[in-house]
Amino acid sequence: DAGVIQSPRHEVTEMGQEVTLRCKLISGHNSLFWYRQTMMRGLELLIYFNNNVPIDDSGMPEDRFSAKMPNASFSTLKIQPSEPRDSAVYFCASSRFDRGPGGYTFGSGTRLTVV
Amino acid sequence: QQQVKQSPQSLIVQKGGISIINCAYENTAFDYFPWYQQFPGKGPALLIAIRPDVSEKKEGRFTISFNKSAKQFSLHIMDSQPGDSATYFCAARSSNTGGFKTIFGAGTRLFVKA
Repeated sequence: DAGVIQSPRHEVTEMGQEVTLRCKLISGHNSLFWYRQTMMRGLELLIYFNNNVPIDDSGMPEDRFSAKMPNASFSTLKIQPSEPRDSAVYFCASSRFDRGPGGYTFGSGTRLTVV
Repeated sequence: QQQVKQSPQSLIVQKGGISIINCAYENTAFDYFPWYQQFPGKGPALLIAIRPDVSEKKEGRFTISFNKSAKQFSLHIMDSQPGDSATYFCAARSSNTGGFKTIFGAGTRLFVKA
């Protein structure tokens, strides 16, 4: 299994531009989580999906952020327009929620820099 | 009530020593307590986890101690090695009708001196 795959690994963009981060889940997993990691705020849960349905988006900081799961294996996190304070490492993670408590498998993250 | 408080922020241990990281929580709905290990440039990886009906779980050199009444749990790394140098996160997960949501502690940066 290739694990959770995120792209791009690094993204540098100018303030005001649209940014799209991508995530491919592990085959057979049905929960998808987007986290943001910064030195100041640690790991923050932004949104999570079960069976492609958004369950909790209370962590999404603003309307500039949106996330979708167009199919069972793929998700995108979009920031439009981007701002310097959005600079962080964004992780997605997946799991099987119907098998009871268990850990997540994280991707390697996308390091976003907004200048 | 959703917070998980972790200490210390950073820890330096001699090779062969015991590393201890502590966490506390408030929400009694949490029912699964994992620890994650993160190396630079990588995502967090599940290290070991415990459920609240168990007071201790050991896997190799890693042990979780869990005190349900005090709402505290800790990670002990025995015979710490330089390769254990990483950031460690405690976490807590609650079941809800929609699935499982994990809240992470702030992390502890461990450095093991050779």
